[in-house]
Amino acid sequence: DVKVTQSSRYLVKRTGEKVFLECVQDMDHENMFWYRQDPGLGLRLIYFSYDVKMKEKGDIPEGYSVSREKKERFSLILESASTNQTSMYLCASIGQGRNEQYFGPGTRLTVT
Amino acid sequence: GENVEQHPSTLSVQEGDSAVIKCTYSDSASNYFPWYKQELGKRPQLIIDIRSNVGEKKDQRIAVTLNKTAKHFSLHITETQPEDSAVYFCAASLGGGGADGLTFGKGTHLIIQP
Repeated sequence: DVKVTQSSRYLVKRTGEKVFLECVQDMDHENMFWYRQDPGLGLRLIYFSYDVKMKEKGDIPEGYSVSREKKERFSLILESASTNQTSMYLCASIGQGRNEQYFGPGTRLTVT
Repeated sequence: GENVEQHPSTLSVQEGDSAVIKCTYSDSASNYFPWYKQELGKRPQLIIDIRSNVGEKKDQRIAVTLNKTAKHFSLHITETQPEDSAVYFCAASLGGGGADGLTFGKGTHLIIQP
């Protein structure tokens, strides 16, 4: 059974802080993704990665960066958190040649 | 980039009736169209998907149809049950099977009335 875990379920940070959101998958998946989910807006792709040290911008990369130093771990970084980054952040992964993206439980980030 | 429109935003049906959710996409090169179900407080999960070389796919009470010419696809749920209550998201992808990431619609909140 695929397991995608995220480091925190709830996180509260202050404006201007540097924030790290961690995602780990245990299925040796090549591709990993970060989405944010906002009411009425659905899920929007922030960044994704094909492989270790590889990254690609999604639809809304501004204000975010990512890091993938190990295959199983994909980190989302908010260099200087702002209130408009308050959201639910979902990580996902998918195996090579497979269809289903497996999602983590999400991290609800509040920036005050 | 790709843009996916989803309607309606809320759908209320009587238990046992059918529900239909519709999506349109903008990029004719998109070739993979999944549907995800998200129950309250839980993560999205894939319920059915279709590729561009297929017009219809069915899995028990759920089915998806795709019209490539019109660039729209629909989710059909028959004999709805209380456990079908959830938010449903359609999505489209240019990459094979979503490997390049998915562009999601804004979601449909399906409410099954007893």
